[in-house]
Amino acid sequence: DGGITQSPKYLFRKEGQNVTLSCEQNLNHDAMYWYRQDPGQGLRLIYYSQIVNDFQKGDIAEGYSVSREKKESFPLTVTSAQKNPTAFYLCASSPGPRPAFFGQGTRLTVV
Amino acid sequence: DQQVKQNSPSLSVQEGRISILNCDYTNSMFDYFLWYKKYPAEGPTFLISISSIKDKNEDGRFTVFLNKSAKHLSLHIVPSQPGDSAVYFCAAALGFGNEKLTFGTGTRLTIIP
Repeated sequence: DGGITQSPKYLFRKEGQNVTLSCEQNLNHDAMYWYRQDPGQGLRLIYYSQIVNDFQKGDIAEGYSVSREKKESFPLTVTSAQKNPTAFYLCASSPGPRPAFFGQGTRLTVV
Repeated sequence: DQQVKQNSPSLSVQEGRISILNCDYTNSMFDYFLWYKKYPAEGPTFLISISSIKDKNEDGRFTVFLNKSAKHLSLHIVPSQPGDSAVYFCAAALGFGNEKLTFGTGTRLTIIP
């Protein structure tokens, strides 16, 4: 089945540790996105990539890093510099300029 | 500062009736608007969009209306069906080709059989 796969679904991290969230798509989409959702807020863009080996900062990129070495994969690393990493993270992809399909999300909790 | 607002966190509508979901925005530079639909345990999916050069866009049972002077858009679903029960997010962009979307907080629509 074509789609976007995020893993893991739930992730726990100790303070001070980096953690990487996986996002894979087999839709052959050029564009991929990472969003963060916090309670009572809309989705906020962290990073996006329009093509392999290229990515752009979104509105809240501080404390995060990404890579786009393959078209299918857009992993997000939450670094220890991210001051409030506990959130729900959504990855999306699109054949065009805006996200069309989202994954099921990863809920990250810092313990 | 929430630039895109969905002031109703939830809405219940009888099956067969019209569902109207509202969205307000504060940034007059937004000129492209989208609605997404999200089922539980799934990611959002794109539903319908509208450019600021239009005031209405229709796709089957779904119609989006845009009132630029009021900075308001709405999504109408007619007739409402049980499968429409979901969370609906509106989003706004600074131009058709702009990657950065500003999302609202969502409205949970429940269709009552």
